[in-house]
Amino acid sequence: DAKTTQPPSMDCAEGRAANLPCNHSTISGNEYVYWYRQIHSQGPQYIIHGLKNNETNEMASLIITEDRKSSTLILPHATLRDTAVYYCIVRVVDFNKFYFGSGTKLNVKP
Amino acid sequence: DGGITQSPKYLFRKEGQNVTLSCEQNLNHDAMYWYRQDPGQGLRLIYYSQIVNDFQKGDIAEGYSVSREKKESFPLTVTSAQKNPTAFYLCASSGRLSQPQHFGDGTRLSIL
Repeated sequence: DAKTTQPPSMDCAEGRAANLPCNHSTISGNEYVYWYRQIHSQGPQYIIHGLKNNETNEMASLIITEDRKSSTLILPHATLRDTAVYYCIVRVVDFNKFYFGSGTKLNVKP
Repeated sequence: DGGITQSPKYLFRKEGQNVTLSCEQNLNHDAMYWYRQDPGQGLRLIYYSQIVNDFQKGDIAEGYSVSREKKESFPLTVTSAQKNPTAFYLCASSGRLSQPQHFGDGTRLSIL
């Protein structure tokens, strides 16, 4: 069964914030939410992760709803180099296994 | 630098042939994973290993085999039973608890 749901594609203007949503309505209490991105023909790159609190690092911010059923990845000032497929992943900590969503293709336009 | 090394970058397989993809990590991670990615698609889990000498099937294990004799190494064999092996193969590793997964640069396998 699918663990996460993401829109297949989104557009964003260069310099504006990109807000990428992810639905994980069946998430359980011990599962973390991770975000990765993949540029064509490369391995996925880790961006950020969280359990229940909002998180921020040098790349992005992660906003998790209070009921933990959805989250949003925010790229504060998108550049053309941020054009990639973004994956929202739920991790089952007990089994160390990752479930990949279908990903969102983010197109950053000048 | 610490990381994951996959080799070769490109690999060609003849009909009826088994091929082995290499994955080595120097991150001292316990868990390692193999994923398959088809063009325009997401990643699908083939096999994963949480500890040396132990591994579990993922969602699409048929036609593949793995071994985990050393912590650093997790080779994937694509057997002749895998009838549609053309894909991009990604290896990853992770530590315990909430540590993120690290990926290699992938191996692209094609059929001759």
